[in-house]
Amino acid sequence: GNSVTQMEGPVTLSEEAFLTINCTYTATGYPSLFWYVQYPGEGLQLLLKATKADDKGSNKGFEATYRKETTSFHLEKGSVQVSDSAVYFCAIIQGAQKLVFGQGTRLTINP
Amino acid sequence: KAGVTQTPRYLIKTRGQQVTLSCSPISGHRSVSWYQQTPGQGLQFLFEYFSETQRNKGNFPGRFSGRQFSNSRSEMNVSTLELGDSALYLCASSLASGGASSSSTDTQYFGPGTRLTVL
Repeated sequence: GNSVTQMEGPVTLSEEAFLTINCTYTATGYPSLFWYVQYPGEGLQLLLKATKADDKGSNKGFEATYRKETTSFHLEKGSVQVSDSAVYFCAIIQGAQKLVFGQGTRLTINP
Repeated sequence: KAGVTQTPRYLIKTRGQQVTLSCSPISGHRSVSWYQQTPGQGLQFLFEYFSETQRNKGNFPGRFSGRQFSNSRSEMNVSTLELGDSALYLCASSLASGGASSSSTDTQYFGPGTRLTVL
């Protein structure tokens, strides 16, 4: 079945540092790929998505490119802020309305 | 447009009891999915409803059940609660056209969750 492997955390960075959170997936065909973010005490918020190979999703300075050849969807941001501290989840969906999530990466940004 | 709402936000129950959680999807969304989030198992899919029918089900015991009403609101029920059922239960809605073989591009929007504690 489909699966997602995320970079293990926690990740701690200083403000304005460059961020990369790795995500690779296992699936047949062309699943849709997502990054969700969860702030403390809240549900999941969609951060960005990509639905076909070479698509780039972007939002709030975050970007991720759908790489079919490496089955990856790495999340990047050029300059992180304290407010970006949260848990980030990579997820895929294919066919049925069933998201498969990675284990989550906790990100802490220090001022 | 109002987002996905879940009630109650917090619940405390004891082992053996049952519980019902409610989810109201975004207006116009016909698909509602439920997920369980725990520190040990992460986010796991419970089931999905579309037009009052359960279309997909995850690997959970029969104590976990759900339903969807004609207005797309959904409830999930857990009977004979166990300590391990303590979790954050998340509901998500999407436009989701009919049929499991859809384009799968329907984005799921999540509610704030219901935090269930079983003592």
